[in-house]
Amino acid sequence: DGGITQSPKYLFRKEGQNVTLSCEQNLNHDAMYWYRQDPGQGLRLIYYSQIVNDFQKGDIAEGYSVSREKKESFPLTVTSAQKNPTAFYLCASSDRGLWETQYFGPGTRLLVL
Amino acid sequence: DAKTTQPNSMESNEEEPVHLPCNHSTISGTDYIHWYRQLPSQGPEYVIHGLTSNVNNRMASLAIAEDRKSSTLILHRATLRDAAVYYCILREGSGGSNYKLTFGKGTLLTVNP
Repeated sequence: DGGITQSPKYLFRKEGQNVTLSCEQNLNHDAMYWYRQDPGQGLRLIYYSQIVNDFQKGDIAEGYSVSREKKESFPLTVTSAQKNPTAFYLCASSDRGLWETQYFGPGTRLLVL
Repeated sequence: DAKTTQPNSMESNEEEPVHLPCNHSTISGTDYIHWYRQLPSQGPEYVIHGLTSNVNNRMASLAIAEDRKSSTLILHRATLRDAAVYYCILREGSGGSNYKLTFGKGTLLTVNP
């Protein structure tokens, strides 16, 4: 089955710790995205990547970092600089170019201990 | 940024049609109207999109006003599985990395059995 997988489903972070969220897709899509969703809110864009080895900051990139070394993978690191990391993180991909129809993964819920 | 306005919540009965409204009075001529929906604790799912003409697919219909300042997502026969948050989004921009999708809070649709 083609799709996007995110792991883990739940992730706990201690204060001052960096954590990395995984996002993998086997849809052969060029573009990938990371969003953050807080309770009762819409999605906010963290980072996006149009092709391998290229990525751009979104609206709320501070405290986050990404890499795009492979087409199918776009991991997100939540650094200790992100002071309020508790949220639902969603990864998406799209084909036929940036900002076309996006396909989302199931999400990772990050909680700070 | 071009913005959309949606009711916070709507209710429907099972097997009845549902009309979800969206206002986008500042839409520009090149902005596409996209609809996504998000079931509880899941990633959003693409529903439909259009530019000027009404659109139909297996999930829903999209009716776009002649002046493009509003649109309506139509679910022809609501089921309990249609209970979700529905997002009306404008894909605004001039192309490539200049495009942008902004997810607001959406409309929470409750379907009564």
